[in-house]
Amino acid sequence: AQTVTQSQPEMSVQEAETVTLSCTYDTSESDYYLFWYKQPPSRQMILVIRQEAYKQQNATENRFSVNFQKAAKSFSLKISDSQLGDAAMYFCAFENGGSQGNLIFGKGTKLSVKP
Amino acid sequence: EADIYQTPRYLVIGTGKKITLECSQTMGHDKMYWYQQDPGMELHLIHYSYGVNSTEKGDLSSESTVSRIRTEHFPLTLESARPSHTSQYLCASSESPLANYGYTFGSGTRLTVV
Repeated sequence: AQTVTQSQPEMSVQEAETVTLSCTYDTSESDYYLFWYKQPPSRQMILVIRQEAYKQQNATENRFSVNFQKAAKSFSLKISDSQLGDAAMYFCAFENGGSQGNLIFGKGTKLSVKP
Repeated sequence: EADIYQTPRYLVIGTGKKITLECSQTMGHDKMYWYQQDPGMELHLIHYSYGVNSTEKGDLSSESTVSRIRTEHFPLTLESARPSHTSQYLCASSESPLANYGYTFGSGTRLTVV
């Protein structure tokens, strides 16, 4: 069975600093997709960044970047220059690329940003 | 702005009442999903649909039911609400295959059963 593990239930970062959220997954597939979602308090869940497993280059979206280590099945999210608005639950998710697949979510990491 | 809409945003209801949580999307997505989530906690998939007249139960057993008569509409119904149903319910949709954009989520319905 495919699983997604986020080993950090909570993380804290100082404003303007950098923080890395961890995510590991387990699959026997070679073609799949990985996502990070952000859920601010009482607000809508939004997609932060996505990575295609066949691409070696790490995805980047402004201050958000990933460190994708396919052999290690690791997909961490790095947030640079942290802002107060980055405070949220962050969920890592995996999809195996099949047309009938559903996203498999990790349990989430709660990120706090200190001013 | 959201292309997937959930109503109501908040609902407080008495035990034993029948309720329907609405979810509609304007993107023409085939796939739709319902998740149950306690505040700040993990997501639990309770129902999903791959298209009209297709519904499946998710990983978490739920006393709720769903229907998919139209592509854009995926309501969730609780025939008799109980305090244990108090939670947040998130609706999501995706195109097939979903790899391009993942899921689009609604704003959620925060349900309290008293």
